[in-house]
Amino acid sequence: NAGVTQTPKFQVLKTGQSMTLQCAQDMNHNSMYWYRQDPGMGLRLIYYSASEGTTDKGEVPNGYNVSRLNKREFSLRLESAAPSQTSVYFCASSSTGGNQPQHFGDGTRLSIL
Amino acid sequence: RKEVEQDPGPFNVPEGATVAFNCTYSNSASQSFFWYRQDCRKEPKLLMSVYSSGNEDGRFTAQLNRASQYISLLIRDSKLSDSATYLCVVNMGLKSGGYQKVTFGTGTKLQVIP
Repeated sequence: NAGVTQTPKFQVLKTGQSMTLQCAQDMNHNSMYWYRQDPGMGLRLIYYSASEGTTDKGEVPNGYNVSRLNKREFSLRLESAAPSQTSVYFCASSSTGGNQPQHFGDGTRLSIL
Repeated sequence: RKEVEQDPGPFNVPEGATVAFNCTYSNSASQSFFWYRQDCRKEPKLLMSVYSSGNEDGRFTAQLNRASQYISLLIRDSKLSDSATYLCVVNMGLKSGGYQKVTFGTGTKLQVIP
């Protein structure tokens, strides 16, 4: 009963380093999302993938790239980490078909020094 | 005006009390609505969908008022375990390219006191 799985759960980086956050879902959902959550800001969409093979920018895409590797997996890459990217990152997925709720992974806590 | 607005709280209520949260949304074309619960340092979890006619799940009741563009969540007989942040979510439905335009409120914090 895994649902949405994110790795790693915690990470500390130095400014300028790169890393990839991994996300996989086993619910056969078509759509996947990456959010960041900062205190007082709520969840903000970074990138989304409506279906396998497609990705699009969300509200705050600068400094990030994504890859929809297959239907199950959607990764988020920070090419050159900056302190402003210190945040909690959530991956989510949902089935296609309009008004379906999103299901979230348990998050990655990322600190950039 | 923000797309989705919630009173951040905190709402401090005694065990057994009834508490209600409202959430207003700006886009009258919004199609579906949800309440999520988020515990401290955890992921948001779906609490319940909000249907036009209103719906109930145990001690939780959700209502939608399209005319005034708000949704509400009522919690009866509050338990200590209800302490969390409650996020209002508004979904404008399927857009071009298969994307659901979903906006999350910043949440209302509830603290149930013994």
